[in-house]
Amino acid sequence: GAVVSQHPSRVICKSGTSVKIECRSLDFQATTMFWYRQFPKQSLMLMATSNEGSKATYEQGVEKDKFLINHASLTLSTLTVTSAHPEDSSFYICSARDSGRDYNEQFFGPGTRLTVL
Amino acid sequence: GQNIDQPTEMTATEGAIVQINCTYQTSGFNGLFWYQQHAGEAPTFLSYNVLDGLEEKGRFSSFLSRSKGYSYLLLKELQMKDSASYLCAGSDSNYQLIWGAGTKLIIKP
Repeated sequence: GAVVSQHPSRVICKSGTSVKIECRSLDFQATTMFWYRQFPKQSLMLMATSNEGSKATYEQGVEKDKFLINHASLTLSTLTVTSAHPEDSSFYICSARDSGRDYNEQFFGPGTRLTVL
Repeated sequence: GQNIDQPTEMTATEGAIVQINCTYQTSGFNGLFWYQQHAGEAPTFLSYNVLDGLEEKGRFSSFLSRSKGYSYLLLKELQMKDSASYLCAGSDSNYQLIWGAGTKLIIKP
């Protein structure tokens, strides 16, 4: 149980285009999902907390108009990188908190590697 | 402020034991997590401690001392596949995870 999928796993796009990444909890309900970014040889950086049915909470320094987050259902959150540029190239990872569990373990998706040319 | 400290890198020998330490400062405390992350992959859950003491799970054990703000992950009978980064994360009063930078563990034959 507690599987999180992420799609696509890898995407290459041209500068200026927008990219949408989906995060799904497959066998549990997740009222809260998290979006992280990880640059090579660095730790996870929390970008935003996605709450089902409400606006996402963004971390300081993360542009909400550039990284659009939608959490329309208890099993799906999407991150759209708008007008992507080469500096947005990174490993984007989502995680989901199982609403039905006693403690707040986060289950991670496999990640999406974004390369912007 | 909130902070998680862990060593940047450690090296150990196959078959040996290694202990990865983590100290934490969080606003409130709702537990301490350890995750394993292989290069190019997402983190996977290893352990969770909210009470003082040692939690053993096969070759991996995790220890917590809340009074000292300290935890460690103990890996026994090291295997080459244990080469990875190990992330310590503290859960604060809002159940937000505060992440350490990770400890890269290198296993040598």
